[in-house]
Amino acid sequence: EAGVAQSPRYKIIEKRQSVAFWCNPISGHATLYWYQQILGQGPKLLIQFQNNGVVDDSQLPKDRFSAERLKGVDSTLKIQPAKLEDSAVYLCASTPGPYNEKLFFGSGTQLSVL
Amino acid sequence: KNQVEQSPQSLIILEGKNCTLQCNYTVSPFSNLRWYKQDTGRGPVSLTIMTFSENTKSNGRYTATLDADTKQSSLHITASQLSDSASYICVVSPNTGNQFYFGTGTSLTVIP
Repeated sequence: EAGVAQSPRYKIIEKRQSVAFWCNPISGHATLYWYQQILGQGPKLLIQFQNNGVVDDSQLPKDRFSAERLKGVDSTLKIQPAKLEDSAVYLCASTPGPYNEKLFFGSGTQLSVL
Repeated sequence: KNQVEQSPQSLIILEGKNCTLQCNYTVSPFSNLRWYKQDTGRGPVSLTIMTFSENTKSNGRYTATLDADTKQSSLHITASQLSDSASYICVVSPNTGNQFYFGTGTSLTVIP
């Protein structure tokens, strides 16, 4: 079974530039999550999708972050403009359904903002 | 407030030794608790899941315990190997939908 795919693996940009991350969840998984993991900390939820609808985006900095999952399959997370404090690993995860199931994570995108 | 705290923050042990990682939580109402292993540069992978009625669960050299009364869990690693070097994250879910509360993790380093 293919896992959660993320790209790119690494990205280095200068502050005020824009960047986009892509995630393709496990086939058939209806729920998709984007997490931000700062070095030495646990993942922090940015946004949760159920199919193509947003379930929770309360911690997404909407002035600079946006995410979409238009067809209910793959998803894109964008940052525009980036700040130094956005340097982190961005993890995508998926679960089959909406009830406290095991999270399947991708390998993440490591973002460095200079 | 729903919180998950882990200790120690970091740990260094010799290969072959045992160790125990701790997780305390205040998440309520409780549904389940998972331990995840996160290798450097990779996403977390689930090791075990504990529900309210379970006290102990093993996965190879990993044994998780749960005390739902005191809201504490531990992950015991037996006969550690170099490949056990990773971050171990405790994740607790309430029974109110698909929510996950993450601890900050314990960074384990196993040295030869």
